[in-house]
Amino acid sequence: EDQVTQSPEALRLQEGESSSLNCSYTVSGLRGLFWYRQDPGKGPEFLFTLYSAGEEKEKERLKATLTKKESFLHITAPKPEDSATYLCAVRGRNSGGYQKVTFGTGTKLQVIP
Amino acid sequence: DSGVTQTPKHLITATGQRVTLRCSPRSGDLSVYWYQQSLDQGLQFLIHYYNGEERAKGNILERFSAQQFPDLHSELNLSSLELGDSALYFCASSVDGLSYEQYFGPGTRLTVT
Repeated sequence: EDQVTQSPEALRLQEGESSSLNCSYTVSGLRGLFWYRQDPGKGPEFLFTLYSAGEEKEKERLKATLTKKESFLHITAPKPEDSATYLCAVRGRNSGGYQKVTFGTGTKLQVIP
Repeated sequence: DSGVTQTPKHLITATGQRVTLRCSPRSGDLSVYWYQQSLDQGLQFLIHYYNGEERAKGNILERFSAQQFPDLHSELNLSSLELGDSALYFCASSVDGLSYEQYFGPGTRLTVT
């Protein structure tokens, strides 16, 4: 069964203090790794898709990287508006051919002014 | 705004009752996914429909059912409700049936009293 583990569960940063969030995964035949941002009481907002080890994607202060076992979401000089829960998900090829998406439980980021 | 709409936004009902949640996917998307998110759990995949046909079931209880209509909107029916069914229910859509980037709606918060 596909598994996604995110760490830390919660992270508190000062504004401008860069850091990284980790997503470790085990999956049968990775077909994509996704990062989402979720604000309290709202639906997850799609950020990135990574498909193969070595791939990197950037968006404003966020940069996602991928290895064969984990992905990192690097946050450079975060601002208070970056406060949210960041979710990682993987799409794997399960038995029967269906490519199910499995989500981690997220890292709750708080950025203090 | 992801383009996915869900109604109602909030729903309060009693144990034993039945409710219907509605989702309209983004224009052009053929797939609809339903997820449940409880306070202490991550996003749990319930069911996936593609162009009117069921593609996969996840952790969906027998008391729950769903369908996708010819206009591609979807409904999730929850019956014999229990206190433990209180959660956020999200609908997501994607352009095809391969679980590419999923775009989430704002969710329906269900409270069972």
